[in-house]
Amino acid sequence: SQQGEEDPQALSIQEGENATMNCSYKTSINNLQWYRQNSGRGLVHLILIRSNEREKHSGRLRVTLDTSKKSSSLLITASRAADTASYFCATAVFIVGFYFGSGTKLNVKP
Amino acid sequence: EAGVTQSPTHLIKTRGQQATLRCSPISGHTSVYWYQQALGLGLQFLLWYDEGEERNRGNFPPRFSGRQFPNYSSELNVNALELEDSALYLCASTNTWDRGYGYTFGSGTRLTVV
Repeated sequence: SQQGEEDPQALSIQEGENATMNCSYKTSINNLQWYRQNSGRGLVHLILIRSNEREKHSGRLRVTLDTSKKSSSLLITASRAADTASYFCATAVFIVGFYFGSGTKLNVKP
Repeated sequence: EAGVTQSPTHLIKTRGQQATLRCSPISGHTSVYWYQQALGLGLQFLLWYDEGEERNRGNFPPRFSGRQFPNYSSELNVNALELEDSALYLCASTNTWDRGYGYTFGSGTRLTVV
């Protein structure tokens, strides 16, 4: 399967702390994307990192990509209660498609 | 600019019936992806349509099928519904030529099979 796997499956932290989620995948990719899902609704695109990039920032988000290890991490700094959601990584493989991991459920306690 | 639109929002069917789900991509997007998300689980890739053709399909039985129309909207059909087909079905669209800006998702259709 080309699907990625997130780790941990669930994460509970206090507001203000940093949250780190990891994603591993199996095949070569064109890019890797992180998405957020609130309460089982549609997904919202957070950030995209291309296969030739190693790190990318967007606001409080920091994504790293290690293609040699086929892994990525998403760091949310200074988390807020509103960050409580499920976070998914998705790998884009040209011609083949777009595959999601199993997700990390983040709970940020006020 | 309108986002990806999915209809209906909710659908209740009985076992053995057929369900039809619809997706309208963002204007200018020619690729449409369908995913199944069972309660509390990750997204399972179902189908990918691009320029009117099926480009790839996930590990689902043939009773899951679909098509893409000339205006790039798409339809997902599920025949002979089974209880385990109950899930949130999500559609996403993107440009064919530039996959650099992520995929835009609709809010999904919640299918319940009773």
